[in-house]
Amino acid sequence: GAVVSQHPSRVICKSGTSVKIECRSLDFQATTMFWYRQFPKKSLMLMATSNEGSKATYEQGVEKDKFLINHASLTLSTLTVTSAHPEDSSFYICSAERTAEQFFGPGTRLTVL
Amino acid sequence: DAKTTQPPSMDCAEGRAANLPCNHSTISGNEYVYWYRQIHSQGPQYIIHGLKNNETNEMASLIITEDRKSSTLILPHATLRDTAVYYCIVRLYISSGSARQLTFGSGTQLTVLP
Repeated sequence: GAVVSQHPSRVICKSGTSVKIECRSLDFQATTMFWYRQFPKKSLMLMATSNEGSKATYEQGVEKDKFLINHASLTLSTLTVTSAHPEDSSFYICSAERTAEQFFGPGTRLTVL
Repeated sequence: DAKTTQPPSMDCAEGRAANLPCNHSTISGNEYVYWYRQIHSQGPQYIIHGLKNNETNEMASLIITEDRKSSTLILPHATLRDTAVYYCIVRLYISSGSARQLTFGSGTQLTVLP
């Protein structure tokens, strides 16, 4: 099956710093990628839809100035958590779709101290 | 997309079939049933999807009732590595180039016991 990678897999940062997470589709092109967030023992919640060459679409309640999304190519989308705070600690997961199947990355565990 | 209802947890003995039910009574005619699973601290993994006919692949079988208001995912010979949260998701079929997000419910925590 198609492969989606994320980098880094785990990051620990200090409060107030910014963290960039990369999502890559390794063997297919994806004009649309999705970013999800998952808190402990909770389900995945969609944060935003990333569109190649255009602005991302954010879900209600997700601050677009805090969670910056860039989808500069058909195989790469990045999520930058700006001025991270402890409440931003979570599991961030991206996905990309190919022929009606959605493939997920392995996730990035963010811990903000 | 139609809402789904799943039991919060189930146990299954290793080597036995695991049957995971899902109710989607408000499903519309052009909505597909998708199943994903998420092993702890990993991204979700696609399992199978179907419209109205039963489907089978190397991972599982999907049985959809004739009225399409419910479905069952069957793992024929569960192993310890099948322990995961299983999500049943209903959504419109999308054509190539028109992606839509998946709306995850609470899922079913399947625990395969040795």
